[in-house]
Amino acid sequence: GAGVSQSPRYKVAKRGQDVALRCDPISGHVSLFWYQQALGQGPEFLTYFQNEAQLDKSGLPSDRFFAERPEGSVSTLKIQRTQQEDSAVYLCASSLRDRKNIQYFGAGTRLSVL
Amino acid sequence: QQQVKQSPQSLIVQKGGISIINCAYENTAFDYFPWYQQFPGKGPALLIAIRPDVSEKKEGRFTISFNKSAKQFSLHIMDSQPGDSATYFCAATYNFNKFYFGSGTKLNVKP
Repeated sequence: GAGVSQSPRYKVAKRGQDVALRCDPISGHVSLFWYQQALGQGPEFLTYFQNEAQLDKSGLPSDRFFAERPEGSVSTLKIQRTQQEDSAVYLCASSLRDRKNIQYFGAGTRLSVL
Repeated sequence: QQQVKQSPQSLIVQKGGISIINCAYENTAFDYFPWYQQFPGKGPALLIAIRPDVSEKKEGRFTISFNKSAKQFSLHIMDSQPGDSATYFCAATYNFNKFYFGSGTKLNVKP
């Protein structure tokens, strides 16, 4: 049973580039969350999906951030025109529909914007 | 505005000692309070959680104490071991769609 898989593990981008971060949740997990974790800080909520529906995107910091989960499984977080302040670890978590209290986190993608 | 405030930022404890991490919240709608453990290069992992209808929950060496009137909760790690050295996060939610995390406590248990 594989856990939540995120790719790439590390991404270096030049300021202004677009990046796409991928999350493969645990099979059968309906709920999917994205978080941003700045260095030395706790995870900050970005967005939440239930199946393919994005039910909460209140944490996305700007319209440069976009997330999708078109088939209710794999999700992609896209950041357009990256800025230095976007440098962080992006964490993905998934959970079962009837056990939403238990989130399983991936190891994250460390994004560095130069 | 930070919804969940966590202290201390870092903690050094001798092996066998008790580690205590504190969190405070403002939103009385929160009804689920988990603690996560994170090792370097890994994602957070759920450690233990509590609902506000109980004042204490114990699982092995880990205990959550909850004070609803004070809007505070804490994690106690009994008989701390070097393997417990990690960063600990408290969190809170009221709908399980959005979790609010504290800023983290880096615990170092010295042999």
